[in-house]
Amino acid sequence: AQSVTQPDIHITVSEGASLELRCNYSYGATPYLFWYVQSPGQGLQLLLKYFSGDTLVQGIKGFEAEFKRSQSSFNLRKPSVHWSDAAEYFCAVAPRGFQKLVFGTGTRLLVSP
Amino acid sequence: GAVVSQHPSRVICKSGTSVKIECRSLDFQATTMFWYRQFPKQSLMLMATSNEGSKATYEQGVEKDKFLINHASLTLSTLTVTSAHPEDSSFYICSARDPKGDRRGATEAFFGQGTRLTVV
Repeated sequence: AQSVTQPDIHITVSEGASLELRCNYSYGATPYLFWYVQSPGQGLQLLLKYFSGDTLVQGIKGFEAEFKRSQSSFNLRKPSVHWSDAAEYFCAVAPRGFQKLVFGTGTRLLVSP
Repeated sequence: GAVVSQHPSRVICKSGTSVKIECRSLDFQATTMFWYRQFPKQSLMLMATSNEGSKATYEQGVEKDKFLINHASLTLSTLTVTSAHPEDSSFYICSARDPKGDRRGATEAFFGQGTRLTVV
């Protein structure tokens, strides 16, 4: 069965420091890959997505993610975190044909002064 | 990006009553919409996939008679929680696909703002 693993439940990063959120997936073929951000009590906003091609994907708000097929990973990165980045981050996968999204358990990012 | 509007954002209802949540795609026609449930500090669990003009496809363990889904038009899907109980209290989120995005190679799902349901 397809699954998405986000091993870090919480991460605290100092403002201005770099960030990497981990995501691993288990699926027979390379699925579509997504990162979403959710602020408290809000819906989800798409940060970036990978379908094919260049394995380094640029997203909004200065985020990027790198797809590594050999590691079945799609880690999210940002070189310098801002206090406004504090939120919940979800990695998600969808099989080719996009029948549905399967979400990871989420990583809560806390940004310290 | 495309806009999906979900209404209401918050609702409180009495135990035993029914409540309807609407999900609208405002600037595109969504042949497929998805309904998710999110428990506090947890991930989103897909409840059902709603297809315009046909019956919804429910995920395993989701009660079809309790969570009624209707996708009456290409821009509107509704989720009705029937005979609500306190354990149905949760955050419900809908999303919709823009099928035109598939042709542009830009498949993605757009999410509503969510509905906080509290059953008292």
